Amino acid sequence: GAGVSQTPSNKVTEKGKYVELRCDPISGHTALYWYRQSLGQGPEFLIYFQGTGAADDSGLPNDRFFAVRPEGSVSTLKIQRTERGDSAVYLCASSLGGRQETQYFGPGTRLLVL
Amino acid sequence: SQQGEEDPQALSIQEGENATMNCSYKTSINNLQWYRQNSGRGLVHLILIRSNEREKHSGRLRVTLDTSKKSSSLLITASRAADTASYFCGISGYALNFGKGTSLLVTP
Repeated sequence: GAGVSQTPSNKVTEKGKYVELRCDPISGHTALYWYRQSLGQGPEFLIYFQGTGAADDSGLPNDRFFAVRPEGSVSTLKIQRTERGDSAVYLCASSLGGRQETQYFGPGTRLLVL
Repeated sequence: SQQGEEDPQALSIQEGENATMNCSYKTSINNLQWYRQNSGRGLVHLILIRSNEREKHSGRLRVTLDTSKKSSSLLITASRAADTASYFCGISGYALNFGKGTSLLVTP
């Protein structure tokens, strides 16, 4: 079956611009996660959705970052007023139930802020 | 929140040898998940081991968990060049948190 997909694969933007990153989880998975990975580091947790609601957004670095999942399936990570330090690979994962279950990752979106 | 800390940071072996990498953590966990990552792209799930389990196998992979020592190990037997990747342990307690990973290089 189809895995987690993310679009775009790569995004180049200029400092100060707004970007949206999309994640399509595995069909039927109720839990969805966003992570950010900088070069040479492990993935860093950003936010976790259970259904439509953000069950845990403690990893979002500041209020420029926001994520939605309005129908409990596709999610969009939104970054306002991008900064060069936002450059990273943004990974999405989904799991069948809660965060105690296996998470399946998408290929990521590589964001470069110039 | 706590992270898993993998060691060594880098490991270089020849094809056919076994590779062992370790993960340590600080507080109690519900489960621990090992992942592989090629070239900075998506993580591929390898094995999930729960806190009440001590050992799990999957093909050439063997994972152990010692909750008294707060550590886990991943053993890859009879390694292949295709096993070259970064390996991460994800600690599942409050949130799934990863360390910096072990970079494994398997040379022919």
